[in-house]
Amino acid sequence: EPEVTQTPSHQVTQMGQEVILRCVPISNHLYFYWYRQILGQKVEFLVSFYNNEISEKSEIFDDQFSVERPDGSNFTLKIRSTKLEDSAMYFCASSEGRGRYNEQFFGPGTRLTVL
Amino acid sequence: KNQVEQSPQSLIILEGKNCTLQCNYTVSPFSNLRWYKQDTGRGPVSLTIMTFSENTKSNGRYTATLDADTKQSSLHITASQLSDSASYICVVRDGGSQGNLIFGKGTKLSVKP
Repeated sequence: EPEVTQTPSHQVTQMGQEVILRCVPISNHLYFYWYRQILGQKVEFLVSFYNNEISEKSEIFDDQFSVERPDGSNFTLKIRSTKLEDSAMYFCASSEGRGRYNEQFFGPGTRLTVL
Repeated sequence: KNQVEQSPQSLIILEGKNCTLQCNYTVSPFSNLRWYKQDTGRGPVSLTIMTFSENTKSNGRYTATLDADTKQSSLHITASQLSDSASYICVVRDGGSQGNLIFGKGTKLSVKP
């Protein structure tokens, strides 16, 4: 069964460093998303992406964040200068469409630890 | 403000027992509501989806209910198994043009032998 994959599973970085989190969405999906979940908190929406551009972003997704689809399969989230509060689980998701009944399929997540 | 609240925060039950998890939401306009299961260290996986007109939906041992008038949903798990140990997250999709997903904090269920 097709699934969303993410790499790495765990990333440890120093404050101020840049990190790139990688995702491979399900191959026939057209809509891509990033979410984050701080330990013990709710999953929060970061950004949605369609047709090579951002569709929507939340207040969390500030200038430190960027997303890219560098080729036909990968979807990346870059954090330019990490802060301690960026430590969280980051989930990538993809969906076939944007309709209300289209399910978003989530990857296993990347745990980011900023020291 | 659009919010999803879940209770209890955590629950411990014995294998074979039933349990019911609750979800209250204030999302408006409402599109649909999903219950997700999230195993530790994994992404959420959808169990059920319910729309405004649906009251009950089952998926194996999972039965979800929805009362759109009171904006409440429940997830009932029958004859629990050890593998049911996970977080169960209520997610409401708003009916606006973007159709954002609003997540609850989840209920952490532990099934003990």
